[in-house]
Amino acid sequence: GAVVSQHPSRVICKSGTSVKIECRSLDFQATTMFWYRQFPKQSLMLMATSNEGSKATYEQGVEKDKFLINHASLTLSTLTVTSAHPEDSSFYICSATRDPRTEAFFGQGTRLTVV
Amino acid sequence: QKEVEQNSGPLSVPEGAIASLNCTYSDRGSQSFFWYRQYSGKSPELIMFIYSNGDKEDGRFTAQLNKASQYVSLLIRDSQPSDSATYLCAVRTGGFKTIFGAGTRLFVKA
Repeated sequence: GAVVSQHPSRVICKSGTSVKIECRSLDFQATTMFWYRQFPKQSLMLMATSNEGSKATYEQGVEKDKFLINHASLTLSTLTVTSAHPEDSSFYICSATRDPRTEAFFGQGTRLTVV
Repeated sequence: QKEVEQNSGPLSVPEGAIASLNCTYSDRGSQSFFWYRQYSGKSPELIMFIYSNGDKEDGRFTAQLNKASQYVSLLIRDSQPSDSATYLCAVRTGGFKTIFGAGTRLFVKA
């Protein structure tokens, strides 16, 4: 399978600060990347779909001004959680695919804790 | 109705038995279907995917798809304790979004 690297794997930040999470496809060009959030014992909730060179498409209920997504190249997408609050604490996971019709591969996930 | 539904379990099977995991979906325009395994605290890993009606086998795993019934399943033969995890069914809709089910927890007893 293809390799997707997500960084950092774990971050603790103070309330009100911003956190950037990177998602890189290491051995393929990812035309599409997906960002998910997962709360304990719950399934993955799609936050947004990101296509290289265009604006991300956000799911209903996801604040685009709070969760900034940038997909500037075919191998890198970033998610910035702005003005983080404790309720933003969650497991954030990205996935990437060469072709939106085929399988996507997941990064390792980032556990965000806002204190 | 949820877009992708799975029985949350837990499903408990003895070692060596066949584990059967089921999933239904609501979007008839869905094109691709995936099974992922997720261990606690880790991100999902792809087990297999299926696009066409029928069965697809890969080692101990068999995915089955029935688009008319909007149903996809995963069979795990010769289940091992290391197969104990949460299994996520994912559906790529006609709009190219991937929607996940809530997952089924599987326990394989040694």
